[in-house]
Amino acid sequence: KAGVTQTPRYLIKTRGQQVTLSCSPISGHRSVSWYQQTPGQGLQFLFEYFSETQRNKGNFPGRFSGRQFSNSRSEMNVSTLELGDSALYLCASSLNGGMNTEAFFGQGTRLTVV
Amino acid sequence: AQSVTQLGSHVSVSEGALVLLRCNYSSSVPPYLFWYVQYPNQGLQLLLKYTTGATLVKGINGFEAEFKKSETSFHLTKPSAHMSDAAEYFCAVSAAGYSTLTFGKGTMLLVSP
Repeated sequence: KAGVTQTPRYLIKTRGQQVTLSCSPISGHRSVSWYQQTPGQGLQFLFEYFSETQRNKGNFPGRFSGRQFSNSRSEMNVSTLELGDSALYLCASSLNGGMNTEAFFGQGTRLTVV
Repeated sequence: AQSVTQLGSHVSVSEGALVLLRCNYSSSVPPYLFWYVQYPNQGLQLLLKYTTGATLVKGINGFEAEFKKSETSFHLTKPSAHMSDAAEYFCAVSAAGYSTLTFGKGTMLLVSP
């Protein structure tokens, strides 16, 4: 069965622009979480969506937002890009986000802000 | 609040040697603990997890970890390193489930012939 698909794999954007990243979870999975990975801060939790509702949120500014569609696909948006937003953005899907199911990670979208 | 400390940003071993990657955690509630591996330009792959029950957890690729509550540790070991084990390893903790993981900064494992 297909894994978690993130598109695009690579992006280059200019400061001040906005960007939208997409994550298609494994079929049947309803929980999608987003993480930001940078050399300095490591892996940090952004937010989690379950059945189209944001269930948990990390400590990121409001420029970072997301949504989930009825087919469980999720998008995250970053507005007014800053150089510090350059990172690998990973999404993970699981059946319900609980301990009884494993989270599977996509390969990530590498965003470079210039 | 939870946190994870991984001792050593880089660990070097020879092929066939013991692998020991250290992880200490802080959690205000009984934690769920995980080890993930990341190969270059890839996402994360779950190696093993501790939820409840047996404190010695066996994972994939010959890795295992022991949950020691008194030491707040969850160190990852493998008896004999293989070249293919070279990757970055992340320890993570959660109180709520897979959906909200708090990761350590990672340890890069280097394996020399």
